[in-house]
Amino acid sequence: DQQVKQNSPSLSVQEGRISILNCDYTNSMFDYFLWYKKYPAEGPTFLISISSIKDKNEDGRFTVFLNKSAKHLSLHIVPSQPGDSAVYFCAARASGSARQLTFGSGTQLTVLP
Amino acid sequence: DAGITQSPRHKVTETGTPVTLRCHQTENHRYMYWYRQDPGHGLRLIHYSYGVKDTDKGEVSDGYSVSRSKTEDFLLTLESATSSQTSVYFCATGRAGMNTEAFFGQGTRLTVV
Repeated sequence: DQQVKQNSPSLSVQEGRISILNCDYTNSMFDYFLWYKKYPAEGPTFLISISSIKDKNEDGRFTVFLNKSAKHLSLHIVPSQPGDSAVYFCAARASGSARQLTFGSGTQLTVLP
Repeated sequence: DAGITQSPRHKVTETGTPVTLRCHQTENHRYMYWYRQDPGHGLRLIHYSYGVKDTDKGEVSDGYSVSRSKTEDFLLTLESATSSQTSVYFCATGRAGMNTEAFFGQGTRLTVV
């Protein structure tokens, strides 16, 4: 049973517009959430994270929102650029764990010029 | 970026043969992980290590074993490769501390024929 779910396998957005990627989780023990970006034939790279004590974290064009009551987080990219085209993975970590991450299945973002 | 090297980068092997994948890090990170990436499943944890000689099973550990005799090296062994183990394998490392991200290697594409 997937504890972290990304229900949209793909998303297409026009350059300059906002991209919104969504993620849901079921495990109430998760207290740290991350987004990774992955290009073909490369390893995932860390993008942005948020602790469960916050509801928003911003880094340049990237903002992550956390709604703990709904067990939902989202990644906003504004403005979207063609170089943002990649697979985005949502990940979560439980308190007290050996730092292992549980990943969603990923969303392929395509930013159209 | 953390210095994480995976070897080999590509391998084709026959069903029933043993295979060992190597992960080497130069960052002195305490935690090391092996994930596999498959379409529709995202990244799933195979095994992880929280110190030299300290390892534990992840979500999809059947058919795999690991060893960590030095801080910098984490080996993943497929005892008798099967076609279901055809996948892309990623090694990751993590620092001690609460809210820290994991760093990924470039991946190893393994094909079992």
